[in-house]
Amino acid sequence: DGGITQSPKYLFRKEGQNVTLSCEQNLNHDAMYWYRQDPGQGLRLIYYSQIVNDFQKGDIAEGYSVSREKKESFPLTVTSAQKNPTAFYLCASSTADGQYFGPGTRLTVT
Amino acid sequence: RKEVEQDPGPFNVPEGATVAFNCTYSNSASQSFFWYRQDCRKEPKLLMSVYSSGNEDGRFTAQLNRASQYISLLIRDSKLSDSATYLCAVNMNSNYQLIWGAGTKLIIKP
Repeated sequence: DGGITQSPKYLFRKEGQNVTLSCEQNLNHDAMYWYRQDPGQGLRLIYYSQIVNDFQKGDIAEGYSVSREKKESFPLTVTSAQKNPTAFYLCASSTADGQYFGPGTRLTVT
Repeated sequence: RKEVEQDPGPFNVPEGATVAFNCTYSNSASQSFFWYRQDCRKEPKLLMSVYSSGNEDGRFTAQLNRASQYISLLIRDSKLSDSATYLCAVNMNSNYQLIWGAGTKLIIKP
């Protein structure tokens, strides 16, 4: 089955720790995205990548980092510099027909 | 003014009724438009693309009004299972990046 996988589904971390969220797709899409969603709010773009070895900051990139070493993979690191990291993180890939999402990772930092 | 705006709702609608909601966008050069459905604590899922000529899929009809810069989603014969948040997304440039509305919450009541 083609799709996007994110792991883990739930993640708990202590403040001050970096954490890496996984995103893998086997849809052969070039473009991939990371969003953050807070309760009752829309999607905010963190980073996006249109091709391997290239990525761009979105609207809220501060405190986050990404890599795109393979077409299939676009991991997101939430660093200790991110002031309010607790949120629902969604990864997506896209074609001209729209964006397709993974199931998300719910990160809680205490 | 936000780039993409939606009435947050909630729209409380009796089962079997018809409901419609709009999404306005600010950039007249916007190129493609989408409706997504998001269930509570889940990822958004593509419901339908919105074409200039309109688009119908079963009980769902999407329309684009370029002159007034909005898209609409109409749901006929609403079902309890239609309860969700409906997000609109707009592509404003030549890549696949989308600008998102914050969503309209729909509650179908028996």
